[in-house]
Amino acid sequence: DGGITQSPKYLFRKEGQNVTLSCEQNLNHDAMYWYRQDPGQGLRLIYYSQIVNDFQKGDIAEGYSVSREKKESFPLTVTSAQKNPTAFYLCASSIGRGGAETQYFGPGTRLLVL
Amino acid sequence: KNEVEQSPQNLTAQEGEFITINCSYSVGISALHWLQQHPGGGIVSLFMLSSGKKKHGRLIATINIQEKHSSLHITASHPRDSAVYICAALPNTGNQFYFGTGTSLTVIP
Repeated sequence: DGGITQSPKYLFRKEGQNVTLSCEQNLNHDAMYWYRQDPGQGLRLIYYSQIVNDFQKGDIAEGYSVSREKKESFPLTVTSAQKNPTAFYLCASSIGRGGAETQYFGPGTRLLVL
Repeated sequence: KNEVEQSPQNLTAQEGEFITINCSYSVGISALHWLQQHPGGGIVSLFMLSSGKKKHGRLIATINIQEKHSSLHITASHPRDSAVYICAALPNTGNQFYFGTGTSLTVIP
């Protein structure tokens, strides 16, 4: 049963703490993406990766970091430098690297600041 | 300025009604993606299109490249269609989508 999984579903962050959101896919997709969703706004791209060991900044990369050591995994770290991290985070993947391809989304992680 | 605009922002319909959601964009695009977001937050891809029309069940998506406009139609709407519908445009010159803010649809039995 192929798909994208994200964990945890809910995550709480304390001030000054780094937290890592997990994203795993078993679709054998090359490209993976991290988006942030805030109320009343469209999804905004944080980082994307088109191939293992390579990733690119999106529109709102400041305060976030990623790694792509394995094809199936693309974890996102929300660092203490991200001053407004409360949001819904969505991971997605697509089969190729060209951009004009269907993206498949995970169920999302809701991050809340304590 | 948002490159992708959707209308209406909110829509309430009676079960069985024909529904239209509109998406306009300001740049030349190579593809447009329609997505459905369920109340729990999960997003499902409905259509990817670059010209003409696509149909899947009760859903129809059309795009007019010259007018920079796309529509999503739902025929014989049902309460289970209640969700947020999002369009996303892929510019000719880029490899990342620009997303609209979504249309929240509620279908009342």
